[in-house]
Amino acid sequence: DQQVKQNSPSLSVQEGRISILNCDYTNSMFDYFLWYKKYPAEGPTFLISISSIKDKNEDGRFTVFLNKSAKHLSLHIVPSQPGDSAVYFCAAISLGQNFVFGPGTRLSVLP
Amino acid sequence: DTEVTQTPKHLVMGMTNKKSLKCEQHMGHRAMYWYKQKAKKPPELMFVYSYEKLSINESVPSRFSPECPNSSLLNLHLHALQPEDSALYLCASSQGTGMGTDTQYFGPGTRLTVL
Repeated sequence: DQQVKQNSPSLSVQEGRISILNCDYTNSMFDYFLWYKKYPAEGPTFLISISSIKDKNEDGRFTVFLNKSAKHLSLHIVPSQPGDSAVYFCAAISLGQNFVFGPGTRLSVLP
Repeated sequence: DTEVTQTPKHLVMGMTNKKSLKCEQHMGHRAMYWYKQKAKKPPELMFVYSYEKLSINESVPSRFSPECPNSSLLNLHLHALQPEDSALYLCASSQGTGMGTDTQYFGPGTRLTVL
């Protein structure tokens, strides 16, 4: 049973527009969420995180929103750039447990 | 320095070979991790070391043998691997004990091919 889901395997966005990547989770014990970006044949790069006590965290072009009641979080990238093209993994963690990664969403930003 | 380094970048080995993957971090992190990632799949946790002691082994076959010589180094010894073990092997580290809500920082990975 997948505890962290990313239902869109891929997403294409025009350069300069907003990219919205979604993530849903089932385990209400998760209390910290992270987004990682991954290029082929490279390790995941940490992007942004959010604690369950917050509903929004912003870092430059990246904003993560958390809706605890819906068990849903999203990553917004504004404006999207071609260099943002990568696979984005949502990850969740609860105290005493280890990371649970979602299956990933491949983002393509078209020039 | 927020870098985790891994060597080698690529490794090709036969099923009878013995090889080792190396991981190093100088961020003073106390937890280090090995993950395996197959194509188009998320990383799968293999081992967690906390304060140089193995704290989690996710039912990994004994042909994979981790070792943590000191707080900055993590090795993964490989012996008698199977072709299905071909994957990207990722090392990560985090500041906490490995069981808390601390961010993991990943190395670039070692692309392993078993012939």
